[in-house]
Amino acid sequence: DAKTTQPPSMDCAEGRAANLPCNHSTISGNEYVYWYRQIHSQGPQYIIHGLKNNETNEMASLIITEDRKSSTLILPHATLRDTAVYYCIVRVSGGYQKVTFGTGTKLQVIP
Amino acid sequence: SQTIHQWPATLVQPVGSPLSLECTVEGTSNPNLYWYRQAAGRGLQLLFYSVGIGQISSEVPQNLSASRPQDRQFILSSKKLLLSDSGFYLCAWRTGGVSTDTQYFGPGTRLTVL
Repeated sequence: DAKTTQPPSMDCAEGRAANLPCNHSTISGNEYVYWYRQIHSQGPQYIIHGLKNNETNEMASLIITEDRKSSTLILPHATLRDTAVYYCIVRVSGGYQKVTFGTGTKLQVIP
Repeated sequence: SQTIHQWPATLVQPVGSPLSLECTVEGTSNPNLYWYRQAAGRGLQLLFYSVGIGQISSEVPQNLSASRPQDRQFILSSKKLLLSDSGFYLCAWRTGGVSTDTQYFGPGTRLTVL
């Protein structure tokens, strides 16, 4: 799996957009970008994924740069419940490959 | 809909005691199953994965073992726990498909070895 680089921590004011960056400069053409988050003492939760087009779902938006070397997860209106560690992962699809999680970004939403 | 269960939620065990953690998945067939461990303040470490009954692959050498006696059951075991086995143990299953590879995680078991 290609490696990713994320800032260790970020703060965001409640109600504002949270923009979480991820660098994946060695990503291959067939590797997807996945985002998970882990709220304290819970299992990781899938958020969103994409290949090269921007994606949006009910939780977040994913913006992938044209060269695919970086991406940004956007939580449009952060709430206190969004406080969590956010993991960016890149991996090929299919098969039974494991998901390799790094240390992620600890997002603290501030009232 | 698919659900994943883990038990127990928390466990305190003495050093040298055995361990058995169970994970079951409902609402899907022939899932890929995974055991992860997360030490305090650390990222997730893959321990074992399984693509089918009786098929176990180990990622990290340790005193833990895994078994898959049924299609939707995954068990993590140890004959003698070490202090270093303390952590948050997560079971996950993978949705099938060609173009995506999303994993869904259970609620986890917090193990403290004293």
